[in-house]
Amino acid sequence: SQKIEQNSEALNIQEGKTATLTCNYTNYSPAYLQWYRQDPGRGPVFLLLIRENEKEKRKERLKVTFDTTLKQSLFHITASQPADSATYLCALDPSNSGNTPLVFGKGTRLSVIA
Amino acid sequence: GAVVSQHPSRVICKSGTSVKIECRSLDFQATTMFWYRQFPKQSLMLMATSNEGSKATYEQGVEKDKFLINHASLTLSTLTVTSAHPEDSSFYICSARPNGIPETFFGQGTRLTVV
Repeated sequence: SQKIEQNSEALNIQEGKTATLTCNYTNYSPAYLQWYRQDPGRGPVFLLLIRENEKEKRKERLKVTFDTTLKQSLFHITASQPADSATYLCALDPSNSGNTPLVFGKGTRLSVIA
Repeated sequence: GAVVSQHPSRVICKSGTSVKIECRSLDFQATTMFWYRQFPKQSLMLMATSNEGSKATYEQGVEKDKFLINHASLTLSTLTVTSAHPEDSSFYICSARPNGIPETFFGQGTRLTVV
């Protein structure tokens, strides 16, 4: 069956450390993966998109990797801050067409402790 | 990035009444929009795909007569919760994707409370 899984439901880290979140998928062949941030009571906010031919993508303190052999994407936040505390969702387009809804992982709730 | 605006952000209504939620793409046209429902501490659950100028496609288990979707223009989709009951209380979110780019953008969400 097709699955997209974020292994950690919750992750607590110390301020200043690097947070690493994992997203694994099964029986999909995504051309790209997306990462979103969701704060309580708010809609998800788009963060980064990485394509299958890109091994790594960066945006400020964020870094995403995409390994199509392992069927895995890693999301890193370096020099983490309490303001980074939120739920992070990975998502893929199952048809790669842009016309079908995204499939989401259940999310990882990150808490950065000062 | 593109902006999707959802209104209202919060609404409280009495049982038996109907509530309309609007989702607008502010700076792009969207032939397709998506409506999700989210329960506390759970991920987004797709309710339906809204198609401009045609009927919405509902996910299994979603009552199309209760959750009416209208996508009358390329920038506006509406979700109407009809004859609302307390069990319809939830967080509703819409999303849209500009044509030609893969990124999807979400509205701010609507917290519906039925009393």
